[in-house]
Amino acid sequence: DTAVSQTPKYLVTQMGNDKSIKCEQNLGHDTMYWYKQDSKKFLKIMFSYNNKELIINETVPNRFSPKSPDKAHLNLHINSLELGDSAVYFCASSKKDRGLTNEKLFFGSGTQLSVL
Amino acid sequence: KQEVTQIPAALSVPEGENLVLNCSFTDSAIYNLQWFRQDPGKGLTSLLLIQSSQREQTSGRLNASLDKSSGRSTLYIAASQPGDSATYLCAVTDVSAAGNKLTFGGGTRVLVKP
Repeated sequence: DTAVSQTPKYLVTQMGNDKSIKCEQNLGHDTMYWYKQDSKKFLKIMFSYNNKELIINETVPNRFSPKSPDKAHLNLHINSLELGDSAVYFCASSKKDRGLTNEKLFFGSGTQLSVL
Repeated sequence: KQEVTQIPAALSVPEGENLVLNCSFTDSAIYNLQWFRQDPGKGLTSLLLIQSSQREQTSGRLNASLDKSSGRSTLYIAASQPGDSATYLCAVTDVSAAGNKLTFGGGTRVLVKP
């Protein structure tokens, strides 16, 4: 069983389209995250949710909207896609995120988004 | 603003040699530091987590040290194997961070030649 699974693995789309990436974790974790890895391989956090509540919201364009229907799911919807959105998007989860913790993060295998 | 640097960006060693990977961070007020492994087309796997009060962590052939005052961590991999070929990333959680916000380095791509 995959602990953190995200779909699709690859997403190729045209500029201006709207797309969603889904993420699910079966670890019973309370907190989920979205990270973006750019072409230079730098990983940066975008959002984190704890029990469906937004905890971290980095300076991400409001075209990106995370949605957490329950604590096991955190989907990422992107409106009006731009060329610069091309990257690999990783979902992750951890046991808890109320304040600082020493919990390890568990990552999904990534979604490679290519905007043409 | 925290910045994490990993040098070198790439490393190639013959099988059996010990690997030494370096990570430096600019703000020593960290809560913990993690080392991850990333394989092509796959997600990240957490290898070791060192809490700010600890000096090192060990798991099998892996040993990670932390020197908070100098802003450095080193990952040692003993007796490297071709299966150790991957990209290794370090990441820190700042004391001032909201929740488990990790700041990542750019990674060191390792190739272990048989």
